[in-house]
Amino acid sequence: ETGVTQSPTHLIKTRGQQVTLRCSSQSGHNTVSWYQQALGQGPQFIFQYYREEENGRGNFPPRFSGLQFPNYSSELNVNALELDDSALYLCASSSGLAGGDEQFFGPGTRLTVL
Amino acid sequence: AQTVTQSQPEMSVQEAETVTLSCTYDTSESNYYLFWYKQPPSRQMILVIRQEAYKQQNATENRFSVNFQKAAKSFSLKISDSQLGDTAMYFCAFMGLNRDDKIIFGKGTRLHILP
Repeated sequence: ETGVTQSPTHLIKTRGQQVTLRCSSQSGHNTVSWYQQALGQGPQFIFQYYREEENGRGNFPPRFSGLQFPNYSSELNVNALELDDSALYLCASSSGLAGGDEQFFGPGTRLTVL
Repeated sequence: AQTVTQSQPEMSVQEAETVTLSCTYDTSESNYYLFWYKQPPSRQMILVIRQEAYKQQNATENRFSVNFQKAAKSFSLKISDSQLGDTAMYFCAFMGLNRDDKIIFGKGTRLHILP
């Protein structure tokens, strides 16, 4: 059973650029959630995808967008990067939408915006 | 809105000792889930333990146990016989049962297990 993977591991961008982060969910999982974890903080929910449809969004501006593909992998896109977007971006997959479903996290992508 | 508060930013204990991490939360819901997640220095977050609010019995997973006080909205994690591999950030998290509810994390407690 393959766990959650994310790419790239690290990324450096400049302000105003656009970035795409990728996540492959664990085998058998149809739900992917994305989180932003600033340094020294807990993860903050960005949005969730369930069977290719967005299922809930946190308090993030529209320049944060996403996709989920038929194989349930997912992308997070961030346009017009700002310095405050520097963070660890985590994705997590689960087997459904039930509140108690365990989320399995990937190792994260460390994004630095200069 | 739900909130999760972890009042201990950092803690250190000697190997083999018992340590308790505190967490309080605020919600108007009566049923929900509470979690403790561990994030080791390599960053991949893993679930340590989960508690369903409608269950009075405190959850236990090997050396990890919780003290769930629903009325006080408190959810502490006890690690017994601590090991060097327990060194990590620990996050307390809350999740409601509504379809639109998403997990809310506290700011974390950095735990150092000293040899």
